[in-house]
Amino acid sequence: KNQVEQSPQSLIILEGKNCTLQCNYTVSPFSNLRWYKQDTGRGPVSLTIMTFSENTKSNGRYTATLDADTKQSSLHITASQLSDSASYICVVRADSWGKFQFGAGTQVVVTP
Amino acid sequence: EPEVTQTPSHQVTQMGQEVILRCVPISNHLYFYWYRQILGQKVEFLVSFYNNEISEKSEIFDDQFSVERPDGSNFTLKIRSTKLEDSAMYFCASRSRGSDEQYFGPGTRLTVT
Repeated sequence: KNQVEQSPQSLIILEGKNCTLQCNYTVSPFSNLRWYKQDTGRGPVSLTIMTFSENTKSNGRYTATLDADTKQSSLHITASQLSDSASYICVVRADSWGKFQFGAGTQVVVTP
Repeated sequence: EPEVTQTPSHQVTQMGQEVILRCVPISNHLYFYWYRQILGQKVEFLVSFYNNEISEKSEIFDDQFSVERPDGSNFTLKIRSTKLEDSAMYFCASRSRGSDEQYFGPGTRLTVT
């Protein structure tokens, strides 16, 4: 069964610090992986999209990595800000136009 | 910047009642989706819609659910006889032809009592 597992479930960090979120997947065949940011009570907003051939992609202070061989991805947040407090969701697409498989998300809380 | 809108933001209904959730996708988008997120759980795919017909649906999307594009702008999700377990956030998303990027709306919180 296609699965997307994220860790940790939740994370508390001090403002200004860095953190890394993990995503492991068993979705096959693999088309692309994306990271979304979801603020409480809002819809997900795309941060990065990576295909099989891409190892890293950045969007401002967010940097995603992908190892398609080990089926692992990470999202690194640099110099966290209070506005980074949100749920970060890893989403994997199984084939070119197939439906998305969502992870459960990592809840990040940035404290002053 | 264009965005997907959804109405209402919160709907409270009694068990057994019909509800219609409304979405206005981004104007030049052709592919439409509904997702739901039960409180504290992951986002789940419900249905995709293209060219006035369902292109794919999940096992969640049973006979109680239906979708429609009644005019050139709205995309609706109808639940015929709501159950307590239908309580969730329902997200609409849309994308344009040739792009893999889906844009999500802010969601409708459905509470079934």
